[in-house]
Amino acid sequence: EVQLVESGGGLVQPGGSLKLSCAASGFTFSGSPIHWVRQASGKGLEWVGRIRNKDHSYATTYGESVKGRFTISRDDSENTAYLQMNSLKTEDTAVYYCTRLSYSTSSWYFDLWGRGTLVTVSS
Amino acid sequence: QSVLTQPPSVSAAPGQKVTISCSGSSSNIGNNYVSWYQQLPGTAPKLLIYDNNRRPSGIPDRFSGSKSGTSATLGITGLQTGDEADYYCGTWDNRLSAVVFGGGTKLTVL
Repeated sequence: EVQLVESGGGLVQPGGSLKLSCAASGFTFSGSPIHWVRQASGKGLEWVGRIRNKDHSYATTYGESVKGRFTISRDDSENTAYLQMNSLKTEDTAVYYCTRLSYSTSSWYFDLWGRGTLVTVSS
Repeated sequence: QSVLTQPPSVSAAPGQKVTISCSGSSSNIGNNYVSWYQQLPGTAPKLLIYDNNRRPSGIPDRFSGSKSGTSATLGITGLQTGDEADYYCGTWDNRLSAVVFGGGTKLTVL
């Protein structure tokens, strides 16, 4: 089955760290850029960042609100992407989704999403 | 405050048609393709439209997309109660070098 499965969410204190995983199956993970998107309760989607594939040197890009605190990595041998979150703030509380970016002849789109994992930052 | 602007909510009766707008600027919609995502309650987003107006396999032709200038529109015809969901537009922003989403529109089928 083609799927992405996030794990690693939980409760963490402000200033703490957490590492999320995104396990892929059913497709050629190594060729796919992976993005992270989060959603606070009752709010809209917010892009967190992305990691490209080996052909693009595993380049990463981040949203302004997490730049310098979050790091995205991947292990193609394990078909898994990661989101390392440091210096967590209460406003980082959200469901975190990983999503696969695919290309059309014209552009790109997110065609596969995980179910998400909840991160709660609270004392 | 989202970079792309969507109406917070729209509503229509079953069988009717509804449109959802997504307004941006030259740094995003004006020079990039738009995709649309449907998020049913308690679930992950799902791709509905890509490349402004193309539907992935399995998406019924009741759903359509269009783009003009710095705005995009999602259209849904023959509304069903199962269409009740939040809808998001998304694209790349050249100035921010980031993916941007609209704030989402909640569709109610009365």
